[in-house]
Amino acid sequence: DGGITQSPKYLFRKEGQNVTLSCEQNLNHDAMYWYRQDPGQGLRLIYYSQIVNDFQKGDIAEGYSVSREKKESFPLTVTSAQKNPTAFYLCASRDTGYEQYFGPGTRLTVT
Amino acid sequence: DQQVKQNSPSLSVQEGRISILNCDYTNSMFDYFLWYKKYPAEGPTFLISISSIKDKNEDGRFTVFLNKSAKHLSLHIVPSQPGDSAVYFCAAIGDSNYKLTFGKGTLLTVNP
Repeated sequence: DGGITQSPKYLFRKEGQNVTLSCEQNLNHDAMYWYRQDPGQGLRLIYYSQIVNDFQKGDIAEGYSVSREKKESFPLTVTSAQKNPTAFYLCASRDTGYEQYFGPGTRLTVT
Repeated sequence: DQQVKQNSPSLSVQEGRISILNCDYTNSMFDYFLWYKKYPAEGPTFLISISSIKDKNEDGRFTVFLNKSAKHLSLHIVPSQPGDSAVYFCAAIGDSNYKLTFGKGTLLTVNP
């Protein structure tokens, strides 16, 4: 069963702590993306990676970091420098076409 | 500066009727457009797309129309079903990195 998995579904952290969100895909897609969604807002691009060992900043990369050591995995770290980390985080991947396919998302709450 | 705009936050239609969701864009470099459907606390699901070289694309009950001169596209759902109730996002691509720029979404409610 091919797809994108994100874990956990819900994540709670204290302010000042770094937290890493998992994204794994078994679709053999080269490109992967991280977005965040806030209430009443569209999705905004955080980071993306077109190929293993390479990634670029999106529109709102400040306070986030990523790695792409394996084709299947694109973890996102939300650092303590991110001013408003509470959000719904979505990972996506893309094959050779235009369409991106999304995982189920992780709801991060920082208090 | 919002480059993709969905000016209607919500839309309510009766089951069996047509739903029309609208989207406007400002960036003339956008050359590919997509519609996604999203349920609460889930990831968006790809619905239908259209290239800028076309003005219409149809897939079952879903049709997307593109008016390049007006920088406007619309998604038609006919007939609408209660299961279509969700938030619909319009998205656009305008560079070789295939980055998606999203609108804020329109909440569609289909009443039985």
